[in-house]
Amino acid sequence: EPEVTQTPSHQVTQMGQEVILRCVPISNHLYFYWYRQILGQKVEFLVSFYNNEISEKSEIFDDQFSVERPDGSNFTLKIRSTKLEDSAMYFCASSVPSGRGNEQYFGPGTRLTVT
Amino acid sequence: AQSVTQLDSQVPVFEEAPVELRCNYSSSVSVYLFWYVQYPNQGLQLLLKYLSGSTLVKGINGFEAEFNKSQTSFHLRKPSVHISDTAEYFCAVEASGAGSYQLTFGKGTKLSVIP
Repeated sequence: EPEVTQTPSHQVTQMGQEVILRCVPISNHLYFYWYRQILGQKVEFLVSFYNNEISEKSEIFDDQFSVERPDGSNFTLKIRSTKLEDSAMYFCASSVPSGRGNEQYFGPGTRLTVT
Repeated sequence: AQSVTQLDSQVPVFEEAPVELRCNYSSSVSVYLFWYVQYPNQGLQLLLKYLSGSTLVKGINGFEAEFNKSQTSFHLRKPSVHISDTAEYFCAVEASGAGSYQLTFGKGTKLSVIP
């Protein structure tokens, strides 16, 4: 069964460094998403991406964040200058836009630790 | 804006006993409702969803949920749990809005099944 994959599973970085989190969505999906979950808190929406552009973003997704689909398979989230409060589990998801109530398929997550 | 409240952060239950995981939502527009499950070291997997029609929705692994519009609730139930149901369960809503597919999640409920 096709699945969303994410690499790395765990990333440790120093404050101020740039990180790139990678995701491979399911191949025939057209919508891509990033969510994050700070330890003990809710899963929060960051951004959605469709047709090579951002379709929606939350207030969390500020200028430090960017997303890209550099080729036909990868979908990346870049954090330019990490802060301690960026430490979280980051989930990638993808879906087929068949109307409302689409099932989003989630990857296993990347745990980002900023020291 | 939408919000989701999962009233219990942890629910211990004995094997073969029934369980109910509670979810309440708040929204000024109509919503679609979802339950996702996360097993250790895995991504979020869709259990079931309510889009319209019958308010009782059946999902995978013997779970079901009932949509109650007047109480703005979408509680998840299983009549007899197994050890393998030990996981974290997330309630989520998708609000109506042109091109908006983002999910708003609750904080999750950790279900521990005791042998």
